[in-house]
Amino acid sequence: GAGVSQTPSNKVTEKGKYVELRCDPISGHTALYWYRQSLGQGPEFLIYFQGTGAADDSGLPNDRFFAVRPEGSVSTLKIQRTERGDSAVYLCASSQSGRDADTQYFGPGTRLTVL
Amino acid sequence: AQKVTQAQTEISVVEKEDVTLDCVYETRDTTYYLFWYKQPPSGELVFLIRRNSFDEQNEISGRYSWNFQKSTSSFNFTITASQVVDSAVYFCALVDSNYQLIWGAGTKLIIKP
Repeated sequence: GAGVSQTPSNKVTEKGKYVELRCDPISGHTALYWYRQSLGQGPEFLIYFQGTGAADDSGLPNDRFFAVRPEGSVSTLKIQRTERGDSAVYLCASSQSGRDADTQYFGPGTRLTVL
Repeated sequence: AQKVTQAQTEISVVEKEDVTLDCVYETRDTTYYLFWYKQPPSGELVFLIRRNSFDEQNEISGRYSWNFQKSTSSFNFTITASQVVDSAVYFCALVDSNYQLIWGAGTKLIIKP
């Protein structure tokens, strides 16, 4: 596709459940980023992939959060034992190489609501 | 430490007025990049501009213009003849020796018809 796509656009789940959020980056982009954004705030960095490997996962809040990018393209953010505080919009971005502050292009986000 | 400050939380103007959104940044690096993104009510972050620290020329793109002043560590954004469709939250961001975008808190711009 032309841009970054994310599915689902909305996800409502119950506290304690497991969720997976998917990101499909711009074709050919080697760098992929996950952020989350709470209402009225700027995006908060979670994790950065260069190819298949997580180059920096320092933003993941705890071990309930995990992300993979097995073939260097699509990425999945996985959240175990969801908590109400996990409710936010999860944004994915991709950039061509991740070097020299490449422009990051964002997807539409997945709005996660934990009841 | 890197930091981006957008002191204006919310600005409201009447359509056709010019409006300037302020951005002040802090970094110890001499090489860095500055960005502006627009986030309309639909929620998607839309890239507007990327500027590196060695290029202090002002940029104009249609009704949008950017004023980069290294002496005051500012990268302000002006919309000329604002339109209702310009209503959005605008974020200024910085990348220096890291790849991580350091975001300002955003300025909510309301353009009234």
